[in-house]
Amino acid sequence: NAGVMQNPRHLVRRRGQEARLRCSPMKGHSHVYWYRQLPEEGLKFMVYLQKENIIDESGMPKERFSAEFPKEGPSILRIQQVVRGDSAAYFCASSQDRGGYGYTFGSGTRLTVV
Amino acid sequence: QKEVEQDPGPLSVPEGAIVSLNCTYSNSAFQYFMWYRQYSRKGPELLMYTYSSGNKEDGRFTAQVDKSSKYISLFIRDSQPSDSATYLCAMRGRDGGSQGNLIFGKGTKLSVKP
Repeated sequence: NAGVMQNPRHLVRRRGQEARLRCSPMKGHSHVYWYRQLPEEGLKFMVYLQKENIIDESGMPKERFSAEFPKEGPSILRIQQVVRGDSAAYFCASSQDRGGYGYTFGSGTRLTVV
Repeated sequence: QKEVEQDPGPLSVPEGAIVSLNCTYSNSAFQYFMWYRQYSRKGPELLMYTYSSGNKEDGRFTAQVDKSSKYISLFIRDSQPSDSATYLCAMRGRDGGSQGNLIFGKGTKLSVKP
């Protein structure tokens, strides 16, 4: 069981570039969640997806951020025209069901915008 | 008032001490309560979970929930240097809709000195 796989582990982008973060959920998990962790801050919910559907994007910034979870392949969090304030650790989690206790998290992608 | 408040610490204790970690919350709709442990540069891992009020014990760890006071605690007995990590409380409401999303505290950084 490989767990939740995120890549890349570290990503450096210049201001104005695009960042693409990938997440492969645990085997058998069809629910994916993205969280952002800013320095000295807790984890903040961004978006919840199931295969081919965005279920809840109430935590996503209105502009430049998008997410998808296609029928085949990993979930992608895309940040267009990155700014320094986007520098953070982005965590993906997955679960087998919507309910239950907590999720399984990946090790995160640390995005640095220079 | 933030939905979930958690003292960020840092908290430093000698090996063998009893550690008490706490969170308060304001949303009376929260029903599921969890504690995650996060080592440096790693993703959070689920440590303990409880539903509604009550206590739950697992080895050296005890989780308590007092819904009347909107207060949850995690106790660590006989603390070990390997317990040094950031501990995040998390909670959510009933399944479905945004109530199902996990809301995290900022985390308390714990250091156990040998």
